[in-house]
Amino acid sequence: QLVLTQSPSASASLGASVKLTCTLSSGHSSYAIAWHQQQPEKGPRYLMKLNSDGSHSKGDGIPDRFSGSSSGAERYLTISSLQSEDEADYYCQTWGTGKVVFGGGTKLTVL
Amino acid sequence: QVQLVESGGGLVKPGGSLRLSCAASGFTFSDYYMSWIRQAPGKGLEWVSYISSSGSTIYYADSVKGRFTISRDNAKNSLYLQMNSLRAEDTAVYYCARARDTAIDYWGQGTLVTVSS
Repeated sequence: QLVLTQSPSASASLGASVKLTCTLSSGHSSYAIAWHQQQPEKGPRYLMKLNSDGSHSKGDGIPDRFSGSSSGAERYLTISSLQSEDEADYYCQTWGTGKVVFGGGTKLTVL
Repeated sequence: QVQLVESGGGLVKPGGSLRLSCAASGFTFSDYYMSWIRQAPGKGLEWVSYISSSGSTIYYADSVKGRFTISRDNAKNSLYLQMNSLRAEDTAVYYCARARDTAIDYWGQGTLVTVSS
């Protein structure tokens, strides 16, 4: 069964870097995923598509501070030089046969 | 630029019906798969349904199968979601979204559906 697992919360200091993780279920380690950001009281925004080899393509206007990487079944979103507006929920998403799957989301707090 | 604008949300009684619309612009609508995704208050994102570019392939989440119907009109650059037999647990913000190569790459601003007596 295709499942994406994310930690419920993360925190990091203003100006620092943070690495969020999305884990694909067993047997699905070759799947690409997408990362989405949802700031408080706003709709989601597409950040990037991330392939199993770590290559990624970002959405329109996404700053260079956002990058992606992969290792096995893990997909990472790294945000560097954290700013206050990066405080948001981050969701990973993938596409299976006949369905779209979302992770449970990670709430990022910028300290 | 790509724009997706949902409409049709509102308050409806349990067992009632509602039809959501999504007006697309800024891209060739008929080239893309489209999807509806919802978010209950204080909860995460939940996929509802998707439809292929031609409309020939359609899938639904188990939670809405048999009650919701997705459709599109490529001549009008519009996506629809007919929702019947609505339940309290269908209360959510409903987002229209574009899909490109397994990724959702654009989102609408959402429309709120509230199911309550």
